[in-house]
Amino acid sequence: TAGITQAPTSQILAAGRSMTLRCTQDMRHNAMYWYRQDLGLGLRLIHYSNTAGTTGKGEVPDGYSVSRANTDDFPLTLASAVPSQTSVYFCASSSSTVSDTQYFGPGTRLTVL
Amino acid sequence: GQNIDQPTEMTATEGAIVQINCTYQTSGFNGLFWYQQHAGEAPTFLSYNVLDGLEEKGRFSSFLSRSKGYSYLLLKELQMKDSASYLCASMDSNYQLIWGAGTKLIIKP
Repeated sequence: TAGITQAPTSQILAAGRSMTLRCTQDMRHNAMYWYRQDLGLGLRLIHYSNTAGTTGKGEVPDGYSVSRANTDDFPLTLASAVPSQTSVYFCASSSSTVSDTQYFGPGTRLTVL
Repeated sequence: GQNIDQPTEMTATEGAIVQINCTYQTSGFNGLFWYQQHAGEAPTFLSYNVLDGLEEKGRFSSFLSRSKGYSYLLLKELQMKDSASYLCASMDSNYQLIWGAGTKLIIKP
């Protein structure tokens, strides 16, 4: 079982360009999440989805958008990247949102220049 | 506001015991999670406490005191592979995880 996969592994992006980070899970989990991790800070929630067809904003949603067309996929889009979006992005999933363990993908390291 | 506090870095000796503390203040409480994260890798689940007391799982144990807003992770018989960051996270009333910045644990031979 692959669990959660993310693509790309890493990317260098020019400021102002758009980019979509991909996330796919094969565990049939209902809930999915996008976090960013920056040095010295805890993981911060960007967007989440409790079930296919629904999405919600987390702690730091500005500059990011998501969609959840089906159970397996939860792409994160940066419409016009800025240097402050340089970070490591983790996708995670859980069976449900209620006290369930979140399982993480391997992450995407994004550098915006 | 919501806040999770844990030490930035700790050092311990191979074979010894180390306790990593975490204090939390969140809007509501639906459990306390501990994750391990090796450098350059994804966080992986270690433990979950929702009731007061100690949960033991092999060499790792986790304790929770809800009245004190306090948890600790206890690692016994330390091995070099335990060198990693340990992340404390509290689940708030919206079932969202609020994360600490992590404790980097350095194991010395």
